[in-house]
Amino acid sequence: AQSVTQLGSHVSVSEGALVLLRCNYSSSVPPYLFWYVQYPNQGLQLLLKYTTGATLVKGINGFEAEFKKSETSFHLTKPSAHMSDAAEYFCAVKVWGNEKLTFGTGTRLTIIP
Amino acid sequence: DTAVSQTPKYLVTQMGNDKSIKCEQNLGHDTMYWYKQDSKKFLKIMFSYNNKELIINETVPNRFSPKSPDKAHLNLHINSLELGDSAVYFCASSQEREQYFGPGTRLTVT
Repeated sequence: AQSVTQLGSHVSVSEGALVLLRCNYSSSVPPYLFWYVQYPNQGLQLLLKYTTGATLVKGINGFEAEFKKSETSFHLTKPSAHMSDAAEYFCAVKVWGNEKLTFGTGTRLTIIP
Repeated sequence: DTAVSQTPKYLVTQMGNDKSIKCEQNLGHDTMYWYKQDSKKFLKIMFSYNNKELIINETVPNRFSPKSPDKAHLNLHINSLELGDSAVYFCASSQEREQYFGPGTRLTVT
């Protein structure tokens, strides 16, 4: 069975600083990995995904993530935080042939002015 | 032209009542899902249907019953509501890998 662990339930960064949200996965077969963002009182929006191919994936709003198989990680980064980035971020994993998407417990990102 | 829509957005009801949440997607996807997000924001899959057939049924009380009249609709009916059912329920759909989520239905049981 697949699982994800998000390190840090709350992360605070200053506006303009680097954003780094950590995600480690566990899967016995090659995974598909996703980052979703949830703004207050809204649904989940797909930020980016890794399925196959290039391990550095770029998403919306300037976010990117790198799939590192040796470290079983898929950390989310953004070079310069913006106030509008304040939200809850979820890492998720899926494997081929299984429709089940397993989410991490989420990381709340706060941006300090 | 909303991709995945849910009604109602808010639902407040008393314990013991029966209620339904409706979901529709206009993306032409074959697979639809129901998720429950608890007060700590934890997201857990409840059900999944592929082209009107149930393919995922997690350990959910029998009081919860999904119904898919066609592949564009997946409704969730809940009998004998309990306080612990209070949560945000999300519908989603997918074709291959990524899932697209609806705006959620916040259910409050009093």
